[in-house]
Amino acid sequence: DVVMTQTPVSLPVSLGGQASISCRSSQSLVHSNGNTYLHWYLQKPGQSPQLLIYRVSNRFSGVPDRFSGSGSGTDFTLKISRVEPEDLGDYYCLQSTHFPLTFGSGTKLEIK
Amino acid sequence: QIQLVQSGPELKKPGESVKISCKASGYTFTDYAMNWVKQAPGNGLKWMGWINTQTGKPTYADDFKQRFVFSLETSASTAYLQINNLNIEDTATYFCTRNNHGVMDAWGQGASVTVSS
Repeated sequence: DVVMTQTPVSLPVSLGGQASISCRSSQSLVHSNGNTYLHWYLQKPGQSPQLLIYRVSNRFSGVPDRFSGSGSGTDFTLKISRVEPEDLGDYYCLQSTHFPLTFGSGTKLEIK
Repeated sequence: QIQLVQSGPELKKPGESVKISCKASGYTFTDYAMNWVKQAPGNGLKWMGWINTQTGKPTYADDFKQRFVFSLETSASTAYLQINNLNIEDTATYFCTRNNHGVMDAWGQGASVTVSS
């Protein structure tokens, strides 16, 4: 199975500040079709996860441009600028290039 | 709008079975596969597998091949997850998610299953 190593586990940030979350995979996430199936989700307290970024860098419908994704191969980053209270929660990366699909272990974004 | 509405919380005893439903609306049910994802209390997310909504063929991750059954009622745009011979480790919230070309782009609200004697 592809292991997704997500860091940090906890990320204290100030409102209005910037946050960066890393996700590294144990093997390349480039599919044979050329696409890279690495996605980012936010799970707010008491809610189900919601899609933020799909295929590395594409913002999902309605996601503010404060969220951006980057990376390639095995190394990926989610950046959140101008952090707002509504951004707090658990962030997960997911790879769907290889079977079985695997999630990162999560990063808790909290107020400093 | 796209919605996945799951059934309510369940309290079961070890050895019993449970069947969770996931009703889709706002899109053509058979155009997208359906994933199932487990989240144990205080834990992260684990992919259980998916079901092809056109053929009904399920695919299970290794940890979910023995007691878990994915099924469909296509006429009702509903997917089901059945867990047999429940044990304490099955206590979790189970999510259905729409599979849009490898992206889980819509999630149900989650169905809580508690297994306790």
